[in-house]
Amino acid sequence: QSALTQPASVSGSPGQSITISCTGTSSDVGSYNLVSWYQQHPGKAPKLMIYEGSKRPSGVSNRFSGSKSGNTASLTISGLQAEDEADYYCCSYAGSRTLVFGGGTKLTVL
Amino acid sequence: QVQLVQSGAEVKKPGASVKVSCKVSGYTLTELSMHWVRQAPGKGLEWMGRFDPEDGETIYAQKCQGRVTMTEDTSTDTAYMDLSSLRSEDTAVYYCATDPGSGYFDYWGQGTLVTVSS
Repeated sequence: QSALTQPASVSGSPGQSITISCTGTSSDVGSYNLVSWYQQHPGKAPKLMIYEGSKRPSGVSNRFSGSKSGNTASLTISGLQAEDEADYYCCSYAGSRTLVFGGGTKLTVL
Repeated sequence: QVQLVQSGAEVKKPGASVKVSCKVSGYTLTELSMHWVRQAPGKGLEWMGRFDPEDGETIYAQKCQGRVTMTEDTSTDTAYMDLSSLRSEDTAVYYCATDPGSGYFDYWGQGTLVTVSS
């Protein structure tokens, strides 16, 4: 159960778009459309932003979108805002009822 | 609306055990699949395991297997995570989180800090 690979950090200016990648293997990301994304502000519990690859929970801005190609899932945030600055984690189903997280990406809004 | 309220912070010595609770309200525990996730200071999220209500099985991540036990008391709608033989690297915030069935976490507890120190 190796962690999924995410870039350690990404940055963008307000109004811009950024994409965070999440690379797994054919045993997890590549085999299932069950990738979820979480936003975590310092000292807070994670918050669900995307589930089942591209679905947004009620209340999550449509500026957040998810996609997948092969063994890599992606989270795109458009129209960056200051409050988007946070850590972001991907998570994938990995078979046999197990899950695996990515290492996390720190998003800085310049 | 599901609410998950966890027990308070703990300080334990190496080799001891800790039991963290997660009280559910808004739903009954039998309707939920409960997972446990931990986060060491300054580090990322780590999935620890889950209780599957469909067959009562618990599935654990390899890293903690043999030291972790996840149980549920349906009479009080409380889930428990017991971690034994504690080491300094077990120092972390432990979260309970619910899964509606597609391998994602829609509700989270507030987290419980467990500090392992001699």
